[in-house]
Amino acid sequence: QKEVEQNSGPLSVPEGAIASLNCTYSDRGSQSFFWYRQYSGKSPELIMSIYSNGDKEDGRFTAQLNKASQYVSLLIRDSQPSDSATYLCAGKGGFQKLVFGTGTRLLVSP
Amino acid sequence: KAGVTQTPRYLIKTRGQQVTLSCSPISGHRSVSWYQQTPGQGLQFLFEYFSETQRNKGNFPGRFSGRQFSNSRSEMNVSTLELGDSALYLCASSLPRGDRGGNEQFFGPGTRLTVL
Repeated sequence: QKEVEQNSGPLSVPEGAIASLNCTYSDRGSQSFFWYRQYSGKSPELIMSIYSNGDKEDGRFTAQLNKASQYVSLLIRDSQPSDSATYLCAGKGGFQKLVFGTGTRLLVSP
Repeated sequence: KAGVTQTPRYLIKTRGQQVTLSCSPISGHRSVSWYQQTPGQGLQFLFEYFSETQRNKGNFPGRFSGRQFSNSRSEMNVSTLELGDSALYLCASSLPRGDRGGNEQFFGPGTRLTVL
C-alpha cells in the first residue's frame, strides 16, 4: 500500500473554476503535510504547508487537513491556465522522511 | 536569499561509470535530502543528511551514497552506473524543526543524469 495516494488525473477544469485536488495517507504518525507544484521539466515548488486540522488559506489556494479521515486536499480558486501543472502531496512525521504521492496532473483550459 | 543550487545541471555518462552530484542548500539550512525522479516511479527518497550525519535512508542499493560537509553542502555519488539510473536527481534543503515534524523542504533545479 502506498503511503500517500493521489489520483494521477488529468483533472481538467475550465478557466475561472475551482480545482479540487485530493490526497490520502496511511501513516497516522504523519503530522505535517505539503503541497508542491511541478511544471514539466522543472523541480517541485512548495505552495502550501498545513499542520493542523481544518483549512489554511493563502491567496487563491486553500489547503484542508482532516487527520481523522487521513485526508488532505488543495483547492485552487479562479483557476488559470498558468496553474496547469502536476501537484504533489507529501506528508511527514517527526524526523521521518518526507513521503510524496505520485502527483495529480491539472489542466486548466482557457 | 539564494535558493538551493545543484551542479552540474546536466550530465551524460556511460554504463559502469560513476558520478558525483553536488548540492548547496539555502543559507542557514542544515538538512539536505536527495530524491530521484523518473516518469514511472515519481519522486523516490534517497537519503537525508543533517549536521553531517545521515538521518534517513531510502530503499536504494549501496551504489548510491552521499555525504554532507560541515558547511551543510552535500554530495551524492552513484557508482557503477546502470541504464535505469537515468533520472532527475533533486536536492532539497530545510530548517529541521523537531516539533511536530514540520519542516518545509525547498528544492533545487535538479541534475538531469542520462546513462548511455
